[in-house]
Amino acid sequence: EPEVTQTPSHQVTQMGQEVILHCVPISNHLYFYWYRQILGQKVEFLVSFYNNEISEKSEIFDDQFSVERPDGSNFTLKIRSTKLEDSAMYFCASRMTGYNEKLFFGSGTQLSVL
Amino acid sequence: DAKTTQPPSMDCAEGRAANLPCNHSTISGNEYVYWYRQIHSQGPQYIIHGLKNNETNEMASLIITEDRKSSTLILPHATLRDTAVYYCIVYSGNTPLVFGKGTRLSVIA
Repeated sequence: EPEVTQTPSHQVTQMGQEVILHCVPISNHLYFYWYRQILGQKVEFLVSFYNNEISEKSEIFDDQFSVERPDGSNFTLKIRSTKLEDSAMYFCASRMTGYNEKLFFGSGTQLSVL
Repeated sequence: DAKTTQPPSMDCAEGRAANLPCNHSTISGNEYVYWYRQIHSQGPQYIIHGLKNNETNEMASLIITEDRKSSTLILPHATLRDTAVYYCIVYSGNTPLVFGKGTRLSVIA
């Protein structure tokens, strides 16, 4: 089965530093998402992306966050100035269409902000 | 907020059927019932979804009541690898998938 690929699997950074999390969605998918999960808590929606623009974002996705699809295959999440509370597992997801298609998730990037 | 109610945890003996209930009394006509699971800290994994008819695939069966206010996910022969958090989500496709707390299923040898 095709997979969503995320790199790196672990990222350690200092507070205030910028980080970029990388994702390669499934090749023929059109809708892309970022979710995060703080240890012991729920999986939380951050942002959805379609047709080269953000289609929806949550309250968590403030000005410190941005997403980009720099080429035909990659989908990135950037955090400009990381805070301790940004420490979490970040999941990328994709699907083919926008309506009742199952969402495929990557295995995640564990971000630790020190 | 999630529009579903699930028990926080359940146990099941290995080899037996695991029946995971979900209440979604406020479901609307265009909303589907989706089930995902999360094994340890891996990414959520799609299991099955349905609108009003019962559904079966290679992983599980989904039984939806006639009034659509509740459903049951059935893993017919649970194995240790089915130990995970199972999420029942009502979803129309117009908004992002929203995860609740789910049911932590422990399959016991």
